[in-house]
Amino acid sequence: DAGVIQSPRHEVTEMGQEVTLRCKPISGHNSLFWYRQTMMRGLELLIYFNNNVPIDDSGMPEDRFSAKMPNASFSTLKIQPSEPRDSAVYFCASSLARRQFYGYTFGSGTRLTVV
Amino acid sequence: GNSVTQMEGPVTLSEEAFLTINCTYTATGYPSLFWYVQYPGEGLQLLLKATKADDKGSNKGFEATYRKETTSFHLEKGSVQVSDSAVYFCALSDPGSSASKIIFGSGTRLSIRP
Repeated sequence: DAGVIQSPRHEVTEMGQEVTLRCKPISGHNSLFWYRQTMMRGLELLIYFNNNVPIDDSGMPEDRFSAKMPNASFSTLKIQPSEPRDSAVYFCASSLARRQFYGYTFGSGTRLTVV
Repeated sequence: GNSVTQMEGPVTLSEEAFLTINCTYTATGYPSLFWYVQYPGEGLQLLLKATKADDKGSNKGFEATYRKETTSFHLEKGSVQVSDSAVYFCALSDPGSSASKIIFGSGTRLSIRP
């Protein structure tokens, strides 16, 4: 099992540009989570999906952020336009819902720098 | 609402010292409890878990016991190593969520001196 795969590992972009982060969850997992981690705010849940359907997006900071899960094996998090305060490490995690005692499996993260 | 409170870091210890990182929780229902570890430059990894009261989770020499009477899940290790330097997150499952939502604490940074 390759685990949760995120791409790219690092992204440097200029303010105002569109950024797309990608995630491939573990095969068979039906819940997917996007987190953001910064020194100031720690680990923040942005949005999560169950069976490809967004369940709770209350953590998405503003309309510049959007997330999609077109199928069970792929999700994207898009920021448009990007701003320097969006600089953070973005993690994707997946799990099998109703088996929550197994916990999540996290990807290695995408380090985003907006200059 | 459901929440997790863990001791603030950083925690700095000498190699072979005894480690305790405190974690308490507030939850309705019967959550599962977890400790995750994040090594530098990596994502979070599940370290151990406990699914019901009095369960003890253990892994890599770390232990934590699910204490319902004190709503605690403290992480312990008898003799730490330099390689244990990382950030540790206490977490609980949210029994009220439709998906397998987990609530994380703020993390405790642990540094071990040789």
